[in-house]
Amino acid sequence: EPEVTQTPSHQVTQMGQEVILRCVPISNHLYFYWYRQILGQKVEFLVSFYNNEISEKSEIFDDQFSVERPDGSNFTLKIRSTKLEDSAMYFCASSRTGTYNEQFFGPGTRLTVL
Amino acid sequence: AQSVTQLGSHVSVSEGALVLLRCNYSSSVPPYLFWYVQYPNQGLQLLLKYTTGATLVKGINGFEAEFKKSETSFHLTKPSAHMSDAAEYFCAVSGTSGTYKYIFGTGTRLKVLA
Repeated sequence: EPEVTQTPSHQVTQMGQEVILRCVPISNHLYFYWYRQILGQKVEFLVSFYNNEISEKSEIFDDQFSVERPDGSNFTLKIRSTKLEDSAMYFCASSRTGTYNEQFFGPGTRLTVL
Repeated sequence: AQSVTQLGSHVSVSEGALVLLRCNYSSSVPPYLFWYVQYPNQGLQLLLKYTTGATLVKGINGFEAEFKKSETSFHLTKPSAHMSDAAEYFCAVSGTSGTYKYIFGTGTRLKVLA
């Protein structure tokens, strides 16, 4: 069964450093998403991506964040200068269409900012 | 704007007892509703979804949920709890057009007692 994969599973970085979180969505999916879950809190939407551009972003997704689909298979989330409060589990998701919108989630990348 | 409220951050049931996890939503458009389960250190797995049609939805692992528009609810039930059901459960709502992001509730951690 196809699944969304994410690498790395755990990333530790120093405050101010850049990190890139990687995701491989399901191959015939067209919509891609990033969510994050701060420890003990709910899952929050960050950004959605379709047709090689951002279709929607939350207020969390400020200028420090960017997304890219560099090669037609990977989908990346970059945080330019990490802050302590960026420590969270980051989930990538993909869906085949926008409507009837079942999103398939990856296992997550736990980002720890020291 | 859409929102989800999950009553009870922690629920304990005895093995074999009924599981009832509550979810109420707010949406200005007909919602799509989802229940996801998260096992420790794992990603989000879809349990079931409501898009249109039958309001009683059956999912995996014996779970079901009923969409009640008049009560703006989508409670998750299982007739008989199993130890393996211990996990965190998230209710989510998404729009039907224009925006496909999920809005998640704060989650309910289910504990199953032997």
